[in-house]
Amino acid sequence: QVQLVQSGSELKKPGASVNVSCKASGYTFTSHALNWVRQAPGQGLELMGWINTYTGTPTYAQGVTGRFVFSLDTSVSTAYLQISSLKADDTAVYYCARGTAATGYGLDVWGQGTTVTVSS
Amino acid sequence: QSALTQPASVSGSPGQSITISCTGTSSDIGGYDYVSWYQHYPGKAPKLMIYEVKNRPSGVSNRFSGSKSGNTASLTISGLQAEDEADYYCRSNRGTNTWVFGGGTKLTVL
Repeated sequence: QVQLVQSGSELKKPGASVNVSCKASGYTFTSHALNWVRQAPGQGLELMGWINTYTGTPTYAQGVTGRFVFSLDTSVSTAYLQISSLKADDTAVYYCARGTAATGYGLDVWGQGTTVTVSS
Repeated sequence: QSALTQPASVSGSPGQSITISCTGTSSDIGGYDYVSWYQHYPGKAPKLMIYEVKNRPSGVSNRFSGSKSGNTASLTISGLQAEDEADYYCRSNRGTNTWVFGGGTKLTVL
């Protein structure tokens, strides 16, 4: 079936980097944009941006700094979110989600979420 | 960028109907029909409930409906059930390559 499976929880120290993966299956990976959404503790959903899985072009939401990088490995149908120079307020659950033109670019398939905890 | 405005919380009794509003501007909700709604249980992945203002994905109960008037979109849940207790988020297009979520609404079923 159509699904997105994300990598497991991460515990990192401030200043470190983390790579969150999102592996797609059950559909043509390059036919749908892949979005990244985060939810910090006690906060709402925040769209971080998305990546065009056909061209590899990322689009970052306003306010998302250069510490966040979206990338792809289309050979294994996987998208990646890399966060560098981690700060405590990067602590959040990070979701990947598929955007589908047929649903007005609604996010119709979501990964299970990856918890990233930044703590010394 | 500022989020769309949703009430922090709404509540209703089983069997009742509730409506959650999502207010934006003519640059987002008022300007496009790309409004979607998501149901989110804590610790779970969000679920698409409504897309393009009023359309339901396959498998979503017809108790959920969406609408839009001017710069405000709305999600209505009829025949409220205990399982509807969750957080709900709207999302809208805000121009080329720009999308934004609402701040979220916690629905409590009394």
